[in-house]
Amino acid sequence: GDSVTQMEGPVTLSEEAFLTINCTYTATGYPSLFWYVQYPGEGLQLLLKATKADDKGSNKGFEATYRKETTSFHLEKGSVQVSDSAVYFCALVNNNAGNMLTFGGGTRLMVKP
Amino acid sequence: DTEVTQTPKHLVMGMTNKKSLKCEQHMGHRAMYWYKQKAKKPPELMFVYSYEKLSINESVPSRFSPECPNSSLLNLHLHALQPEDSALYLCASSQGQGAYQPQHFGDGTRLSIL
Repeated sequence: GDSVTQMEGPVTLSEEAFLTINCTYTATGYPSLFWYVQYPGEGLQLLLKATKADDKGSNKGFEATYRKETTSFHLEKGSVQVSDSAVYFCALVNNNAGNMLTFGGGTRLMVKP
Repeated sequence: DTEVTQTPKHLVMGMTNKKSLKCEQHMGHRAMYWYKQKAKKPPELMFVYSYEKLSINESVPSRFSPECPNSSLLNLHLHALQPEDSALYLCASSQGQGAYQPQHFGDGTRLSIL
């Protein structure tokens, strides 16, 4: 079946540091890929998405590129802020399976001033 | 601000109580979802409604009973819950059930079973 693997956290960075959170997936066909963010005490918010190979999703300074050759969708940000502290979930939807999200385990990011 | 509204935000109930969780969206979405999320884990899908009809039940115990009264509302009726049912319950909606249509989540109801 489909699966998503994320780097385990927590990831602790200083403000203005460069962020990478690794995400790799296993799926048949051509899935759509997503990053969701969950701030403390809140639900999940869609951060960015990519629906086909080589697409780059971007939002709020975050970027991720759909790499079919490496089955990856790594999340990056050039300069993190304290307000970026949250849990980040990588997820996929298999185009052959309706709109069912398969989530990775989540990565907690802590940014210190 | 989230466009999917869930009430209540917090709920404490005993194992013999009956309560309901509510979810509302006014984005014209025709698919709605219930998820359960335990601490430090990703959400787990419970139910999917498409065009007000239950389309997926992920083998959820019958003490959880979903209801979709209309295209904007989704309820989750709770009865005789167990302590292990304590979790964050998230509602989500999407335009439809196509793979390119992202799900939008509410802030959840944090449920504690005494």
